[in-house]
Amino acid sequence: DQQVKQNSPSLSVQEGRISILNCDYTNSMFDYFLWYKKYPAEGPTFLISISSIKDKNEDGRFTVFLNKSAKHLSLHIVPSQPGDSAVYFCAASAGNNNDMRFGAGTRLTVKP
Amino acid sequence: EAEVAQSPRYKITEKSQAVAFWCDPISGHATLYWYRQILGQGPELLVQFQDESVVDDSQLPKDRFSAERLKGVDSTLKIQPAELGDSAMYLCASSFVNTGELFFGEGSRLTVL
Repeated sequence: DQQVKQNSPSLSVQEGRISILNCDYTNSMFDYFLWYKKYPAEGPTFLISISSIKDKNEDGRFTVFLNKSAKHLSLHIVPSQPGDSAVYFCAASAGNNNDMRFGAGTRLTVKP
Repeated sequence: EAEVAQSPRYKITEKSQAVAFWCDPISGHATLYWYRQILGQGPELLVQFQDESVVDDSQLPKDRFSAERLKGVDSTLKIQPAELGDSAMYLCASSFVNTGELFFGEGSRLTVL
């Protein structure tokens, strides 16, 4: 039962352009959403999060958008840099229960 | 900077053998998680501890997997006997209570031959 879905396994963009990574979820109880970034041979690292009471959260080059009615969130990276090349995981949790569910990940490649 | 420590980084074993992974969370983090990540998939929760108590182990294959966090600090995940399908990255993470951000260790990659 995949409650968090990332339907694009990979994405390639040119340096300086915008990267948009998408995520869909099915559990309406989810109220906290996160993006993690993972480099090879390392554990995932937290990137940015958003609570369900918001529809946008921005941190430097990274912005996360949440559309609760569509059960959809997206991560925008502007401008994209080669160092952003990694696997990006979308994650969601419900309430104070830290049982976090992850998507399958999207591999982003930023070409110089 | 505080980190989640895991060992070993890599483990190769033959099927039917026993394996164990160790995790030391960030100091002060009451919640500890073990995740399994199969290549090409996202991390899947195996077990979640709050201090020394198990909060969720519904996805843990209890016939062969066990996990403990006896003093509410470090934790051990054991597999006995290992099967070919257990080959994966085993990730430990920790968090403060009631916050969503998880801090992950570098993981333990298991290969079962």
